[in-house]
Amino acid sequence: GDKVKQSPSALSLQEGTNSALRCNFSIAATTVQWFLQNPRGSLINLFYLVPGTKENGRLKSAFDSKESYSTLHIRDAQLEDSGTYFCAAEHYNQGKLIFGQGTKLSIKP
Amino acid sequence: NAGVIQTPRHKVTGKGQEATLWCEPISGHSAVFWYRQTIVQGLEFLTYFRNQAPIDDSGMPKERFSAQMPNQSHSTLKIQSTQPQDSAVYLCASSLGQNTGQLYFGEGSKLTVL
Repeated sequence: GDKVKQSPSALSLQEGTNSALRCNFSIAATTVQWFLQNPRGSLINLFYLVPGTKENGRLKSAFDSKESYSTLHIRDAQLEDSGTYFCAAEHYNQGKLIFGQGTKLSIKP
Repeated sequence: NAGVIQTPRHKVTGKGQEATLWCEPISGHSAVFWYRQTIVQGLEFLTYFRNQAPIDDSGMPKERFSAQMPNQSHSTLKIQSTQPQDSAVYLCASSLGQNTGQLYFGEGSKLTVL
């Protein structure tokens, strides 16, 4: 089964609204990273997390290693937030990341 | 600062030919990773190096794929006897290398095998 499961798989929002994306892990994740793949295909690193929370502008992310999940909150969504969001977990400090299948986010004016 | 640089951006090969993809990591980063992205399989880990030494190649198809890092400024991924199922976007990433650290990806090399 999926070691890193993202939900929802797709989401459509009006500009200015808020959203929450989630990743559930069936592995013992030690660190988590969130990426945005923009329409050009570039993967942009949004957050690198050990257990805890981080905030950057309109984005906030949390990682709970005991409950095996991570969330990404987007506040006041803008058109440029459109793209596919990926979470990725590192398993037991092995170095490599295991990616989820992504959440495709569309922001409408 | 330049990001991770990958060349070529696009490559088309015929079945059975060889393809070599290049990656220049961010200066000062000691860990280099290769991933592959397809619609069906998503993002898959292939291999990674730390301080030019191969650390984990558990994602590499055993027979036709090989990766090297001859110096700290570049890594190559070579695919021999390419097959249509090798068609994918091949992504290189680098990090400072403290454990995994924050990963920075290049724009990818799109390989199409006809």
